[in-house]
Amino acid sequence: QKEVEQNSGPLSVPEGAIASLNCTYSDRVSQSFFWYRQYSGKSPELIMSIYSNGDKEDGRFTAQLNKASQYVSLLIRDSQPSDSATYLCAVNGYGGSQGNLIFGKGTKLSVKP
Amino acid sequence: ETGVTQTPRHLVMGMTNKKSLKCEQHLGHNAMYWYKQSAKKPLELMFVYNFKEQTENNSVPSRFSPECPNSSHLFLHLHTLQPEDSALYLCASSPAPPGELFFGEGSRLTVL
Repeated sequence: QKEVEQNSGPLSVPEGAIASLNCTYSDRVSQSFFWYRQYSGKSPELIMSIYSNGDKEDGRFTAQLNKASQYVSLLIRDSQPSDSATYLCAVNGYGGSQGNLIFGKGTKLSVKP
Repeated sequence: ETGVTQTPRHLVMGMTNKKSLKCEQHLGHNAMYWYKQSAKKPLELMFVYNFKEQTENNSVPSRFSPECPNSSHLFLHLHTLQPEDSALYLCASSPAPPGELFFGEGSRLTVL
């Protein structure tokens, strides 16, 4: 059973701090990794994708991937109250479920002014 | 219209009713998906269509019946549902599986 694990939180950080969100996955052959943000009552929206080991930066967001440790993280620098949302990690693998993105339950982030 | 649009946004139905959810994408993508989101559970993939051909059925009960007439439209036909089927049903599209998903706003279903 392929799994994606996230700490459900809530993770509370003060405004301006760095928020660190973590995700581990069970399928060693996974090749594509995504972070989605979901505001309460809204649908998920894609914020980052990463395919290679290392860091990928986009504005205040940095995704980090370590395939050897089966670990992917999302760092949010200079956190703002508007970043308060649930962050979903999604992973896919090859084989029979190549088209199957497996989602974690999400980590709820709260940024306090 | 842009992005992925879903109708209706809210639906209440009895266990003996038949209803349909509709999804339309304006992104020129080739793949479309149905996901189910229930409280305290991860997003569950239900169906995947690529170039209007079904490529994934994630062991979904037959009371859910998908239809994909073309790459831009996706339906989910519902009949004799159970109260535990109450959830948010999300449609998504991507250029190709398993690419970056773009979600619609969802259809909130309540089964009485």
